[in-house]
Amino acid sequence: GAGVSQSPRYKVAKRGQDVALRCDPISGHVSLFWYQQALGQGPEFLTYFQNEAQLDKSGLPSDRFFAERPEGSVSTLKIQRTQQEDSAVYLCASSTQGLSNQPQHFGDGTRLSIL
Amino acid sequence: EDKVVQSPLSLVVHEGDTVTLNCSYEVTNFRSLLWYKQEKKAPTFLFMLTSSGIEKKSGRLSSILDKKELFSILNITATQTGDSAIYLCAGSGSARQLTFGSGTQLTVLP
Repeated sequence: GAGVSQSPRYKVAKRGQDVALRCDPISGHVSLFWYQQALGQGPEFLTYFQNEAQLDKSGLPSDRFFAERPEGSVSTLKIQRTQQEDSAVYLCASSTQGLSNQPQHFGDGTRLSIL
Repeated sequence: EDKVVQSPLSLVVHEGDTVTLNCSYEVTNFRSLLWYKQEKKAPTFLFMLTSSGIEKKSGRLSSILDKKELFSILNITATQTGDSAIYLCAGSGSARQLTFGSGTQLTVLP
């Protein structure tokens, strides 16, 4: 596709439920990133993939958060046993190559609300 | 720990005004400084700066980097209501991820 596509756009879940958020990066982009953006804040890094390899997951806030990119394209961020503090916008970004001097291009995000 | 600080946090101007947004950074093994514009949806890429003193320009927007003083500015001239958005600054270093500031909320009144 022309840009990074994320689904769903909005997700409402009850506390304790599991959720799965999907990211379809720009075609051919090797690098894929997940960020969490709380209201009024800038995005914060969660995890990074280069192709199918998860090279950095240092930003994942707890072991309830899990991400995968099994075929090196689409990625899924899963949150188990959701809690209210997980409410945020989850942004996915992709970039060409695995170099830090290439701009990241963002999707519209998934707004997650935990009741 | 990498850190990016933006100022002001918010700014209200009238159409036609010129604004300057500030960004200071502390990024390990710094490589680049990026500016994004965020309206209701995705942050959209504006500029990537890697070298000091070289201005990047796109229409009414321009940006410059000072690697000695560790800051960047984003200028917008002849502002329009469509410029109203959150402007995010982010630093990139040896780690692949971006470290973002909290953003500057710009409101342009007609």
